[in-house]
Amino acid sequence: EPEVTQTPSHQVTQMGQEVILRCVPISNHLYFYWYRQILGQKVEFLVSFYNNEISEKSEIFDDQFSVERPDGSNFTLKIRSTKLEDSAMYFCASSEARSFPGTNLYSNQPQHFGDGTRLSIL
Amino acid sequence: AQSVAQPEDQVNVAEGNPLTVKCTYSVSGNPYLFWYVQYPNRGLQFLLKYITGDNLVKGSYGFEAEFNKSQTSFHLKKPSALVSDSALYFCAVRDGYQKVTFGTGTKLQVIP
Repeated sequence: EPEVTQTPSHQVTQMGQEVILRCVPISNHLYFYWYRQILGQKVEFLVSFYNNEISEKSEIFDDQFSVERPDGSNFTLKIRSTKLEDSAMYFCASSEARSFPGTNLYSNQPQHFGDGTRLSIL
Repeated sequence: AQSVAQPEDQVNVAEGNPLTVKCTYSVSGNPYLFWYVQYPNRGLQFLLKYITGDNLVKGSYGFEAEFNKSQTSFHLKKPSALVSDSALYFCAVRDGYQKVTFGTGTKLQVIP
């Protein structure tokens, strides 16, 4: 079964440094997402991405965050100047697109998650 | 905004017994509800979803969930628990165009 893959599995970075987390979504999926999970807390939505642009973002996703799909397979999350509170598990997810006649392309398909990147800020 | 609540931090059940993990939701409009499972050091795995149709939804690994509109609940169930079912279970609701909002999670411990 196809999977979402994330690299690296663990990233250790000094506070203030830039970090890029990488994801390869499932190949026929068109919607992409980033979530984070601070240790012991709930999974929080960061951003969704479709058709080469952000479709939704949360209040967590401020100017220090950015996402990109640099080629046909990768989906990246960049944190420009990391803070201690950015330490968390970051999960990438993707989902299929299903179109409905007479509406905008729309999907309520389940999101498939990668195993996450544990980001530790020192 | 939509939300889900998981009132139990942990559920303990003996192997072979039926299990229930509770979830209630708050939505405006039609609810799109999901259950995910998370094993240690892994991402979330999709179990099942309710979009429309039958109130009893069957999913992966023998799990099912019952959508109850009057009680705004979407409890996860399994007739006979396995030790390997021990994990963290998240109820979720689609909140917005694509955003999914997760509950706080319930740790299921199946005792041999």
